[in-house]
Amino acid sequence: SQQGEEDPQALSIQEGENATMNCSYKTSINNLQWYRQNSGRGLVHLILIRSNEREKHSGRLRVTLDTSKKSSSLLITASRAADTASYFCATDAVRAQKLVFGQGTRLTINP
Amino acid sequence: EAEVAQSPRYKITEKSQAVAFWCDPISGHATLYWYRQILGQGPELLVQFQDESVVDDSQLPKDRFSAERLKGVDSTLKIQPAELGDSAMYLCASSPTGDSPLHFGNGTRLTVT
Repeated sequence: SQQGEEDPQALSIQEGENATMNCSYKTSINNLQWYRQNSGRGLVHLILIRSNEREKHSGRLRVTLDTSKKSSSLLITASRAADTASYFCATDAVRAQKLVFGQGTRLTINP
Repeated sequence: EAEVAQSPRYKITEKSQAVAFWCDPISGHATLYWYRQILGQGPELLVQFQDESVVDDSQLPKDRFSAERLKGVDSTLKIQPAELGDSAMYLCASSPTGDSPLHFGNGTRLTVT
């Protein structure tokens, strides 16, 4: 069962541009997390935003959360070739007590 | 930085054979997870342990899959018998508590022929 849905499924941009990925979910959450996965590797945690927070920053990453719309966005500024990866949102739903991942956005940064 | 260790990295097995995967979480992490990830999709939770106890195995196909975490440290996931549809990446993750970010291993890529 998938709680979060990412949009777009795939995104291709030029190096230096900003990349924005969106995540929508269905039920009330404790927190929402974003992970990155390089091809053939495990996932790496990027950022966690709690339900009472609206925005968080980490380096070139900015995450927003709108609980009224049940949506989140991940912005990567000044993209680099090394940012090429799949990005997943994961929701810690209030009643689920487990982390549920979306289908991911495949991001390609062209040099 | 401590890592979650998984082995083997790749496994090719024939249909109806048994296969096992091993995971060693980061030291001190009480919560351990096994996820299955089909190519092009997000990870799906198979089983979650808190120390040596199973917290959630609602998505584990119990007729063929089993998981254990003896002594609450490392863990083994077994499939018997393997089916073609089991071909996927099997990811292990750990966290200090159930509501902390997850630390993933690099997974075992299983191919069933």
